[in-house]
Amino acid sequence: GENVEQHPSTLSVQEGDSAVIKCTYSDSASNYFPWYKQELGKRPQLIIDIRSNVGEKKDQRIAVTLNKTAKHFSLHITETQPEDSAVYFCAASIIHFGNEKLTFGTGTRLTIIP
Amino acid sequence: EAGVTQSPTHLIKTRGQQATLRCSPISGHTSVYWYQQALGLGLQFLLWYDEGEERNRGNFPPRFSGRQFPNYSSELNVNALELEDSALYLCASSTGTSGSNEQYFGPGTRLTVT
Repeated sequence: GENVEQHPSTLSVQEGDSAVIKCTYSDSASNYFPWYKQELGKRPQLIIDIRSNVGEKKDQRIAVTLNKTAKHFSLHITETQPEDSAVYFCAASIIHFGNEKLTFGTGTRLTIIP
Repeated sequence: EAGVTQSPTHLIKTRGQQATLRCSPISGHTSVYWYQQALGLGLQFLLWYDEGEERNRGNFPPRFSGRQFPNYSSELNVNALELEDSALYLCASSTGTSGSNEQYFGPGTRLTVT
């Protein structure tokens, strides 16, 4: 089955700097890669996702890149703000005719230092 | 529009007992997913139901089971509870159709086994 590894497990950056979180996956058939943000005591929420037919996707300060050959994808947050502090999870799945199960990474606790 | 709801919020059981957790998906969503979030282990996929059928299950023993009702709500049952079953159990729902893959999470049920 799919295995997703996520690094680093914790990350502290100064407010205004950039943060990068990296994930690798094992199943070359995976074609859908979402990122979820979970603030303390709250439910995970989708912040951005990418399909295997594109290499990069941006949404304001957030971007995700995908390297299918190397089987890794990354989340980039620029101009970080205190509200970016949260646990971020990457995930991978194979989409055929609908949703399949998501395999999540173990999470990265991001702390933004004011 | 109401989000995904779960009940109860907290559940305390003793080892060997059974626990039943409930989830109501967003109106119009036919797919329901269950995840276990144990401390430091991220989100582990448990079960996926769509249109009343179990579509996929994660690497959990058979004492973890569930079902989906005609109104698309779902139950997760955990038999013969063990101490390591203590975790936050998250339910998520999606439309279940290709092209709309976002999973919306509920607030979770905190299960404590003593």
